[in-house]
Amino acid sequence: NAGVTQTPKFRVLKTGQSMTLLCAQDMNHEYMYWYRQDPGMGLRLIHYSVGEGTTAKGEVPDGYNVSRLKKQNFLLGLESAAPSQTSVYFCASSPVGNPETQYFGPGTRLLVL
Amino acid sequence: GNSVTQMEGPVTLSEEAFLTINCTYTATGYPSLFWYVQYPGEGLQLLLKATKADDKGSNKGFEATYRKETTSFHLEKGSVQVSDSAVYFCALRGSGGSNYKLTFGKGTLLTVNP
Repeated sequence: NAGVTQTPKFRVLKTGQSMTLLCAQDMNHEYMYWYRQDPGMGLRLIHYSVGEGTTAKGEVPDGYNVSRLKKQNFLLGLESAAPSQTSVYFCASSPVGNPETQYFGPGTRLLVL
Repeated sequence: GNSVTQMEGPVTLSEEAFLTINCTYTATGYPSLFWYVQYPGEGLQLLLKATKADDKGSNKGFEATYRKETTSFHLEKGSVQVSDSAVYFCALRGSGGSNYKLTFGKGTLLTVNP
């Protein structure tokens, strides 16, 4: 079992560029989440999904879009990157029967210049 | 809304010292409470949890007791090791409809020196 994987591990973007972060889980979990982690801010929820084909906004959704076309994948898109989106992004998943136990990926470090 | 407040770090201890990281929360109803740990360069992983008042969660020598009267869930360990160096996050899950979402504290960096 690979658990939760994220690609890429690290990326540098210029302001205005777009990119997609990919999250994949092989645990057949229903719920998936995207967080960003910033110094002194802890983890903040960007978007989440309660099942294939569904997405919802979290605490800080502006500037991001997501899609969950397949149950195992959850994509996070930045259409026009801004320096304020420099952060470490974590994907997580959890099962329906035990939703509070979230399994996290290793993170993607994004630098926007 | 729900919120979690945990003590500001960083915390620096010597090996075998006693650890306490304070966590208090604000929530309606009966939330479940958690401690997650993030080792350097890794994602978060669940350390322990408690789902009702007076429950004690424990794992790897760490303990935390759900105190509803003081709305607290302090993390303790009697004798820390260098390998415990990590960032610790307190979190809660509300008892309302969105019970799959967690609210995290800001995290406390613990460094244990040999």
